[in-house]
Amino acid sequence: EPEVTQTPSHQVTQMGQEVILRCVPISNHLYFYWYRQILGQKVEFLVSFYNNEISEKSEIFDDQFSVERPDGSNFTLKIRSTKLEDSAMYFCASSDGGELTEAFFGQGTRLTVV
Amino acid sequence: AQKITQTQPGMFVQEKEAVTLDCTYDTSDQSYGLFWYKQPSSGEMIFLIYQGSYDEQNATEGRYSLNFQKARKSANLVISASQLGDSAMYFCAMREGGGGSYIPTFGRGTSLIVHP
Repeated sequence: EPEVTQTPSHQVTQMGQEVILRCVPISNHLYFYWYRQILGQKVEFLVSFYNNEISEKSEIFDDQFSVERPDGSNFTLKIRSTKLEDSAMYFCASSDGGELTEAFFGQGTRLTVV
Repeated sequence: AQKITQTQPGMFVQEKEAVTLDCTYDTSDQSYGLFWYKQPSSGEMIFLIYQGSYDEQNATEGRYSLNFQKARKSANLVISASQLGDSAMYFCAMREGGGGSYIPTFGRGTSLIVHP
């Protein structure tokens, strides 16, 4: 069964460093999302991506964040200068359609900023 | 206002018993989808079950069923014959038709513990 794949599963980085979180969505999907979940807390929307551009973003998604779909298969989230409070689980999700279809999530990348 | 409300921060159930996890939603769209995800302690988000707003029958997937009451805007998850492996966090989510991005919006989750 097709699945959303995220790498790495766990990343430890020094404060101030740049990190790139990678996702391979399901191949025929059109809508892509990034979420974050601080440990034990709610799942927060960061950004949605459709037709090779950002369609919506939350107020969490500030200038430190960017997304790319560089080659038609990968979907990356970059954090330019990590802060301690960026430590969280980051989830990528994809969907092949609108509201009446499922969104499938990757297994997540646990980011730890030290 | 919260789009998805899960009022039970924690639930306990005896193994082999059934349990209902509550979810209410708020939308003015006619077209929307409702989803439940399971998040075990390992952290991944596992899709369990889906209900579309136009579906007249309640969705079922194995031991999971979704009790969809459209007029009450509720979409409760029923797990029958609970197993120890069902212990996890459960999230209710919704995708709405308006706006075009169909962003899944999550509730705060319910932590389920299954006792032997």
